[in-house]
Order: sequence, then C-alpha cells, then structure tokens
Amino acid sequence: EAQVTQNPRYLITVTGKKLTVTCSQNMNHEYMSWYRQDPGLGLRQIYYSMNVEVTDKGDVPEGYKVSRKEKRNFPLILESPSPNQTSLYFCATKASGSREQYFGPGTRLTVT
Amino acid sequence: AQSVTQLDSHVSVSEGTPVLLRCNYSSSYSPSLFWYVQHPNKGLQLLLKYTSAATLVKGINGFEAEFKKSETSFHLTKPSAHMSDAAEYFCVAYNAGNMLTFGGGTRLMVKP
Repeated sequence: EAQVTQNPRYLITVTGKKLTVTCSQNMNHEYMSWYRQDPGLGLRQIYYSMNVEVTDKGDVPEGYKVSRKEKRNFPLILESPSPNQTSLYFCATKASGSREQYFGPGTRLTVT
Repeated sequence: AQSVTQLDSHVSVSEGTPVLLRCNYSSSYSPSLFWYVQHPNKGLQLLLKYTSAATLVKGINGFEAEFKKSETSFHLTKPSAHMSDAAEYFCVAYNAGNMLTFGGGTRLMVKP
C-alpha cells in the first residue's frame, strides 16, 4: 500500500529541546516536502527536496532544518523549538513530472 | 506571485441540500488547481484536480468543480450534502516551481 508515514503523531515538548519529526514514503517519489498548518492560514511550505541531497527553502523555513540522505526519508529538525512553532505539520511527496502530492497523516506539535 | 483565496471560512448546510465552497485564485498563468479535504484528525485527501483539460472536473464522493478563467474561480460543488462531508476543504494552486499555494480553508458543517 502506498504510504507516507510520520512519527511521532503527537508531541509535546519544551522550549529549546531539540526534536526531529520523521517522514518516510514507500512510493519511490523524488520530491518530498514539509508544511505547517495554522488556523486561517492553510498550509505553508517549510522546506522541500527535489531529490537525494537536494533541499530548498519554502515560504517559512526559519527555525527548521531538513536533510535528505535517502530517497525515502525526509526528517524535519527543530534545533531549538519555540512556542510559535506549535502547529500541525504535514509531510508530502510526489513523483517527478506529477503535480499531485500525497500527504502524511500529520504531526501535532506543542511547544511550551 | 500566486495566491488562493477561499471566500468563506465556514459554511453550514443541511443534509440533502447543495454545497458550494468558493475559491478564487490569482496567477500570471493558468495554474493547476486542486481541492483537498481534511477530516478531523486526518491527513489531506485529494478530492479532484484541474490540469487544463476539461473545465468541469469530477472528483470523489460526488464533488465537482468548474474552472472559470474569466472569473479566476474554481468553486467546489456537490448536489446533496451528506453528514460524512463535514470536514475542512482546501483549494490549492500548483506553480511551476513545484510549490503548492493553499487557501485558508473552509470548514463545512452539515446539519441533520
């Protein structure tokens, strides 16, 4: 079954404590992306990756890092989380040449 | 720059009555347009997509949308609402830079 998985699904943490949210896909897609969803703002792109070792900033990259060492994984790293990063995060993937993105189930992060 | 505006943040209908969720876009070229649905505590599911073929696009669960270039609109409709349609709906535009631009979302409530 084609899947995009995210872990953890829920996380409550404190300001400044480094965390990583993992994203994994089994569709062999080249493109992967991270979004955050906030009420009234829809989803905004944080970072994206066109392929292994290729990453680029989206609309709201500040405070986040990513890496793409393998095709199937695209972790999102918050080196020093702050309360304004409390949000719902989605990972998405798509095949090259396609415009349709497949979304993971989301990770709800609360930073206190 | 590309932008997507969903004209209503909340829409409430009675079960069995028609649904209209409005979306306007601005773009310097004909974009690809999508509607996604997000049920509570779930990820985003693609409802339908427009990619410059037929202007009337049929999606899953009885939804359809019409692309009107003269009005820069891509409104989502369904003839008869069902309780299971209650969810948040996002209108999304795709640009050539592999980025999705999301509208702010419309929460659809269906009354029995």
